Amino acid sequence: AQSVSQHNHHVILSEAASLELGCNYSYGGTVNLFWYVQYPGQHLQLLLKYFSGDPLVKGIKGFEAEFIKSKFSFNLRKPSVQWSDTAEYFCAVNPNDYKLSFGAGTTVTVRA
Amino acid sequence: DTGVSQDPRHKITKRGQNVTFRCDPISEHNRLYWYRQTLGQGPEFLTYFQNEAQLEKSRLLSDRFSAERPKGSFSTLEIQRTEQGDSAMYLCASSTDSPYEQYFGPGTRLTVT
Repeated sequence: AQSVSQHNHHVILSEAASLELGCNYSYGGTVNLFWYVQYPGQHLQLLLKYFSGDPLVKGIKGFEAEFIKSKFSFNLRKPSVQWSDTAEYFCAVNPNDYKLSFGAGTTVTVRA
Repeated sequence: DTGVSQDPRHKITKRGQNVTFRCDPISEHNRLYWYRQTLGQGPEFLTYFQNEAQLEKSRLLSDRFSAERPKGSFSTLEIQRTEQGDSAMYLCASSTDSPYEQYFGPGTRLTVT
């Protein structure tokens, strides 16, 4: 079945540590890729997106993601996290022009 | 731009009752989507509208569910004869035709007792 997999359910790290969240998808063909973030008590917000072009995309708040087509991956990174990055992060794939398929999410807890 | 709004934010109902949720998209967005999210999972697609036309429905959307967008602006999602398994967060999102970035509302949390 076509799916989106996020490798980590819960990540705990200290401030200033580097963060990398894995995302793999199983859809063939051309896809659009997204990372969404949900801060505590807030709604889903778009963090960054990839449609085409440079496979290294930069988003808000210092996040970036790399699309590796051969690995069907779209991993999220941030070199140095802050306490305010504590949130749930969702990878999403748009295999057509409407439906988003989400991974199960990764909860990131940053300790001060 | 006030973002996507949803009403109510919380709904508690008894099994067997009907409930209706409302979504107001971003004003210039002609596409509107409904998703459902349960605890520990990412959102799952339910249905989407392009203007007033409902173009796709997920198999998750049983016969008890109906969605409308009568004038191509706000949308309603109705669940008839609610069941405990319907307890979830119901999310609405909107986008333009291109690009397809979807912007989400705060959701309506439904609890069926």
